Amino acid sequence: AQKVTQAQTEISVVEKEDVTLDCVYETRDTTYYLFWYKQPPSGELVFLIRRNSFDEQNEISGRYSWNFQKSTSSFNFTITASQVVDSAVYFCALSETSTQGGSEKLVFGKGTKLTVNP
Amino acid sequence: NAGVMQNPRHLVRRRGQEARLRCSPMKGHSHVYWYRQLPEEGLKFMVYLQKENIIDESGMPKERFSAEFPKEGPSILRIQQVVRGDSAAYFCASSTPSADTQYFGPGTRLTVL
Repeated sequence: AQKVTQAQTEISVVEKEDVTLDCVYETRDTTYYLFWYKQPPSGELVFLIRRNSFDEQNEISGRYSWNFQKSTSSFNFTITASQVVDSAVYFCALSETSTQGGSEKLVFGKGTKLTVNP
Repeated sequence: NAGVMQNPRHLVRRRGQEARLRCSPMKGHSHVYWYRQLPEEGLKFMVYLQKENIIDESGMPKERFSAEFPKEGPSILRIQQVVRGDSAAYFCASSTPSADTQYFGPGTRLTVL
């Protein structure tokens, strides 16, 4: 069965600090996708990134970066120079690839609540 | 380019009433997914639908819950005879048949009194 573990329930940092959110996953599939979503206090879910299991290249987007390591089944997310607006709950998720090539159901971690204080 | 739309955003029902939650996928998307977020829990998959077909309903409670995605119109998640434990945020997501990313709507927050 698929499983996603986000061991950090809550993290609190001061503005401009760097922060890393951990995500460890379990799957028996060889082809899968990993995701990060952000849920700000307003409640919506915002897509941040998708990573294919065959692509282990790290990715950087502005202050956000992701480190995918298949050997440790981890897909960690780092925010550099955090800002108050980064305060949110961040979810890591895993999905199989359907036989039709599209997305199957997402299995979510329980989320990490990040608070960035001014 | 409108995103996934859900309505109502907030819904209050008394125990025993019916709740109907609507989801209009993004333009060009024909796959719809429903998830539930209970207080203090993460998001849990409920059902995956394509137009006029239920593909995977492994996360749906066996009783009182049903979902449809008709040829025309939005997808509907229906909860009959609601109980207090149904109070949660219900999220809809959509994707294209070949895309691997699910985009989420703003959610419907159901409160059962």
